[in-house]
Amino acid sequence: DTEVTQTPKHLVMGMTNKKSLKCEQHMGHRAMYWYKQKAKKPPELMFVYSYEKLSINESVPSRFSPECPNSSLLNLHLHALQPEDSALYLCASSQVLAGGHEQFFGPGTRLTVL
Amino acid sequence: AQSVSQHNHHVILSEAASLELGCNYSYGGTVNLFWYVQYPGQHLQLLLKYFSGDPLVKGIKGFEAEFIKSKFSFNLRKPSVQWSDTAEYFCAVIPQTGANNLFFGTGTRLTVIP
Repeated sequence: DTEVTQTPKHLVMGMTNKKSLKCEQHMGHRAMYWYKQKAKKPPELMFVYSYEKLSINESVPSRFSPECPNSSLLNLHLHALQPEDSALYLCASSQVLAGGHEQFFGPGTRLTVL
Repeated sequence: AQSVSQHNHHVILSEAASLELGCNYSYGGTVNLFWYVQYPGQHLQLLLKYFSGDPLVKGIKGFEAEFIKSKFSFNLRKPSVQWSDTAEYFCAVIPQTGANNLFFGTGTRLTVIP
């Protein structure tokens, strides 16, 4: 299984809602990533988990809260988002966090904040 | 600091024309190189990658890229484009040492006119 899956595919939420994005991989990868991608822009790194521990937080606002419950799952909890947070949220994984390893991307969750 | 440059922001070609998209990177060490494609409304897909060996790599859908170490370049080519190649193309690099940070270029939008 060389796939990264993400649910839901689409999400519309109000600014007062709480929702979660889910990501799963069964490749035995021990590094997982959250990216945010605005239209026609490259993905921007948000968080990196290595062996289920948060390794990198790229100064992301606290209304985004990542969680890695086990080595296969990565969640992104959303609360009190702003309309400018509307974007495609991509999950990726790689074998380990050490350099040079290819990152495998999921299809993304397209988030709209009203 | 590491950076990836894609000088062509928007390329417009007629079907059957040849394509070359430029990618230059700035990094003092050894890197692995990638080209990703994102079709309208879809997720990132890996076109091809270079880790080592033959600097001319072939990818999916007739694309190829050549790694020229002396020029820090990894240009993407296709001899004859099709309307279905209309998409956003991202060059990316990962340093082989250190954290597995994936540095994206700003992307090149390709429009193929039938």
